[in-house]
Amino acid sequence: GQQVMQIPQYQHVQEGEDFTTYCNSSTTLSNIQWYKQRPGGHPVFLIQLVKSGEVKKQKRLTFQFGEAKKNSSLHITATQTTDVGTYFCAPSGSARQLTFGSGTQLTVLP
Amino acid sequence: DGGITQSPKYLFRKEGQNVTLSCEQNLNHDAMYWYRQDPGQGLRLIYYSQIVNDFQKGDIAEGYSVSREKKESFPLTVTSAQKNPTAFYLCASSEQGDTEKLFFGSGTQLSVL
Repeated sequence: GQQVMQIPQYQHVQEGEDFTTYCNSSTTLSNIQWYKQRPGGHPVFLIQLVKSGEVKKQKRLTFQFGEAKKNSSLHITATQTTDVGTYFCAPSGSARQLTFGSGTQLTVLP
Repeated sequence: DGGITQSPKYLFRKEGQNVTLSCEQNLNHDAMYWYRQDPGQGLRLIYYSQIVNDFQKGDIAEGYSVSREKKESFPLTVTSAQKNPTAFYLCASSEQGDTEKLFFGSGTQLSVL
């Protein structure tokens, strides 16, 4: 499967601050998915990006796919305690080729 | 409610013992998957199945076996050959459509006694 590096591994923010996690690949990706896993829970699908340079928004979350389709980012504006969890990127051509990044664990301090 | 059910939630294995983790889905999905998650790490693919009676090895299949006799069920056996089985095991399913997003079960935590 595709190999990706996700950074940072951990991020602590004060509630209200912004947060960004990055997913980088050495090869061109077909598409990329993002998942969120709450502590003690299971991953939940957030979004899929397919097109070069694509930007999608879900309320305070902004997802971006690089122009070269080798990197992606997830940005959260004004974090809330409900944003706590681990965010994974997962590049894929189809789900059977899905490889997950190591994840960014977000802690939001009240 | 439609979804994926994994059981048991916690499982303990003795040395030399095989254990089987259950995964059932009522989403009518064709594809099913097993992932292993170690603390602080991402998910690694063990096995996947796209149709009944067919399955393929993922990145870390050694020491594991699966079967897909029914569309709804994809049990995973952790054999005694798997020397480091302690992990969180996640089952997932997906349609065979363009999005291919994964729906996950709530997981089974396997520990060695």
